[in-house]
Amino acid sequence: DVVLTQTPVAQPVTLGDQASISCRSSQSLVHSNGNTYLEWYLQKPGQSPQLLIYKVSNRFSGVPDRFIGSGSGSDFTLKISRVEPEDLGVYYCFQATHDPYTFGAGTKLELK
Amino acid sequence: EVQLQESGPGLVKPSQSLSLTCSVTGYSITSNYWGWIRKFPGNKMEWMGYISYSGSTSYNPSLKSRISITRDTSKNQFFLQLNSVTTEDTATYYCARSYNLDYWGQGVMVTVSS
Repeated sequence: DVVLTQTPVAQPVTLGDQASISCRSSQSLVHSNGNTYLEWYLQKPGQSPQLLIYKVSNRFSGVPDRFIGSGSGSDFTLKISRVEPEDLGVYYCFQATHDPYTFGAGTKLELK
Repeated sequence: EVQLQESGPGLVKPSQSLSLTCSVTGYSITSNYWGWIRKFPGNKMEWMGYISYSGSTSYNPSLKSRISITRDTSKNQFFLQLNSVTTEDTATYYCARSYNLDYWGQGVMVTVSS
């Protein structure tokens, strides 16, 4: 199975700061069709996970432009500029290129 | 608007079967892919499997032959059955749409305990 390694495990931030989360894959996530199915989710306390970014860098409907996904191959990053209170929670990367699909272990974005 | 809602028992005894329903509104399950995901106590998330628009399925091999995902297109629902459960199957279970999980249900917490 593809292993997704997320770092850091926890990211203490001050509101208004930039935050950055890394997701590294044990193998390339480029699908045979040329797409890279690496997605990012945020799970806020008491809520279901919500899709933020799909196929590495595409913001899902309604996601603010302060969320920026980047990367290629097996190395990916989610940047959040100007962290706001509603951005706090646990972030997951997820790959849907290789069966079985797998999640990273999560990164908790929390206040300092 | 696409909405998904899980339902099913919150408590299952060891060795029995866990059965959950995902009711979908605002979109037909004869389009797209429909999956089950679970979150264990702590943060670990596991993709369990999906059923496609055509009714074909794909399962996580870690669940071996214990899992079955089926559907009722007339009710726009799909189902999860997990057999021979143990305490390690205690988790919050979510249903979601598409291979990239763009819409999720609110989740149902299932405890396996005697």
